Amino acid sequence: QKEVEQNSGPLSVPEGAIASLNCTYSDRVSQSFFWYRQYSGKSPELIMSIYSNGDKEDGRFTAQLNKASQYVSLLIRDSQPSDSATYLCAPKGSNYQLIWGAGTKLIIKP
Amino acid sequence: KAGVTQTPRYLIKTRGQQVTLSCSPISGHRSVSWYQQTPGQGLQFLFEYFSETQRNKGNFPGRFSGRQFSNSRSEMNVSTLELGDSALYLCASSLRQGATGGERTEAFFGQGTRLTVV
Repeated sequence: QKEVEQNSGPLSVPEGAIASLNCTYSDRVSQSFFWYRQYSGKSPELIMSIYSNGDKEDGRFTAQLNKASQYVSLLIRDSQPSDSATYLCAPKGSNYQLIWGAGTKLIIKP
Repeated sequence: KAGVTQTPRYLIKTRGQQVTLSCSPISGHRSVSWYQQTPGQGLQFLFEYFSETQRNKGNFPGRFSGRQFSNSRSEMNVSTLELGDSALYLCASSLRQGATGGERTEAFFGQGTRLTVV
């Protein structure tokens, strides 16, 4: 079992709809969770961090965390073509290192 | 506040040569982590430096090495380059909490150095 599992996609979503990205992790010690967005050929950009169970909203983005289920998700409301990118889930492990998923490629269709 | 700066942005080297990449972290950040990313692959962790000491190391051969200076700037070196070393090399800086501190740290990436080995 991989430490961080993400659906590789591509996930195709119509413009204006809600994009839902999911991630499961195996390290029960993880307390900090991060979502990064990476455009092709560019470096990852931090878009959300979440530390407590529940929802955290920032603009069009909502991160959801359920530590009991070892599950974290990212919702993008009113999806725009500029949201088309690969989204990386990264819990922080007990050695302070980020554990990276392979990422989900998201395509927003106009 | 300046972001993470990596130099050079692009590099072309020949097999067998060595290369040194540089990373200047965000001011106040003392942890620098290095990653390798190849096309279609995820981020592969190389190593992390904190207070001039290597704290964690990924599963890469000894040809990959690094160091950190007292101003937190970091360099990584790859010796005896192979074609398979062609990749985007990324560094990320963060505040690193101690064992009794919180874990609410966030890592910020530089723009990366794209290395091509021919």
